[in-house]
Amino acid sequence: AQSVAQPEDQVNVAEGNPLTVKCTYSVSGNPYLFWYVQYPNRGLQFLLKYITGDNLVKGSYGFEAEFNKSQTSFHLKKPSALVSDSALYFCAVRDMTGFQKLVFGTGTRLLVSP
Amino acid sequence: EAGVVQSPRYKIIEKKQPVAFWCNPISGHNTLYWYLQNLGQGPELLIRYENEEAVDDSQLPKDRFSAERLKGVDSTLKIQPAELGDSAVYLCASSSELGEQYFGPGTRLTVT
Repeated sequence: AQSVAQPEDQVNVAEGNPLTVKCTYSVSGNPYLFWYVQYPNRGLQFLLKYITGDNLVKGSYGFEAEFNKSQTSFHLKKPSALVSDSALYFCAVRDMTGFQKLVFGTGTRLLVSP
Repeated sequence: EAGVVQSPRYKIIEKKQPVAFWCNPISGHNTLYWYLQNLGQGPELLIRYENEEAVDDSQLPKDRFSAERLKGVDSTLKIQPAELGDSAVYLCASSSELGEQYFGPGTRLTVT
């Protein structure tokens, strides 16, 4: 079965510094990978996705993610963090077998300090 | 463009009582999802609709949970009777076919 792992419960970074939120995946076949962000008391917002093509995917709010097939990783990155980026980030993979449901990781809380 | 609308935003009920959640998807989205999100966890799919047909309800606890999507637009998720362990956030999402999913703000259920 498809799955994703987010090894860090929390990531702390100072404003202006680069940030990375890690995600590794396990799939049979080609992976369809997603990042979502969740702000307090709000639903998840789509950031970006990898289906095929370039390994570096650009998304909303200046975020990007790097797909690495050999390391089965899809890390979320941003060159310069903002305090307003503080939120809960979820990596997800689409199960391309059966019903093709979206399988989420457990989430990583990002705290950006001023 | 209006997003996914859910109501109520918060609900507190006593155990063994029934409860219902309502979702209005983005206009034109034929796929609708209900997710359960426990504290500190990622969302888990309960049921997915393609128009008015439930195409994946394998994770829906059918002894107490039910859902419907009449006319292929709005959807209602019901729990009867509610148990303490049902306390969670219930998220609704919609998409066009299998495109990106857009989530509503969720309903936070507390069962006492």
